[in-house]
Amino acid sequence: QKEVEQNSGPLSVPEGAIASLNCTYSDRVSQSFFWYRQYSGKSPELIMSIYSNGDKEDGRFTAQLNKASQYVSLLIRDSQPSDSATYLCAAQGGSEKLVFGKGTKLTVNP
Amino acid sequence: NAGVTQTPKFRILKIGQSMTLQCTQDMNHNYMYWYRQDPGMGLKLIYYSVGAGITDKGEVPNGYNVSRSTTEDFPLRLELAAPSQTSVYFCASNGPGAVSLAGNTDTQYFGPGTRLTVL
Repeated sequence: QKEVEQNSGPLSVPEGAIASLNCTYSDRVSQSFFWYRQYSGKSPELIMSIYSNGDKEDGRFTAQLNKASQYVSLLIRDSQPSDSATYLCAAQGGSEKLVFGKGTKLTVNP
Repeated sequence: NAGVTQTPKFRILKIGQSMTLQCTQDMNHNYMYWYRQDPGMGLKLIYYSVGAGITDKGEVPNGYNVSRSTTEDFPLRLELAAPSQTSVYFCASNGPGAVSLAGNTDTQYFGPGTRLTVL
């Protein structure tokens, strides 16, 4: 069974620090990976996608993918209180289906 | 362009009752999905559809049914509600999206969710 595992958290960082979120996946066939942000009581919102090995930067967010190690990560630089949310890692399989991890709850303290 | 819409937002059911959760998307996406999310458990796929008239089971289909008569609509039916079906239900569609912090990325976009309680 395809699985996506995330570091259990919760993760707490001070404002301005770097938050590091990690994810591993079991299915070597997966080619596309996504990070969703979910505020409490809200639906998941896509914030990053990554398809190739290496780093992908978008503003304060950097996604990293290592297919050999089956590892995906998300770095949030200069963390803000508004980044406090649960972050969901997802791997894409057949029929564009996504397999989600359980999520890591991040709290950024002012 | 409303994206993915779901109704109702909240619902309380008694054990054994039935109901239909509605989902509509206006992005002309072929792929649609139903998930449930229990506290601290991430998202579990219930059913999905790759186009009108085509549906298939996901990871946790028991107790649910779906239909897809049009591209836009993908309703989820609960026939005999049980307390184990208390959850938040999200509908999603897959395709190019207009609203995403990651730009115009071909991936899943979620509706606002339906919070269902079965007592």
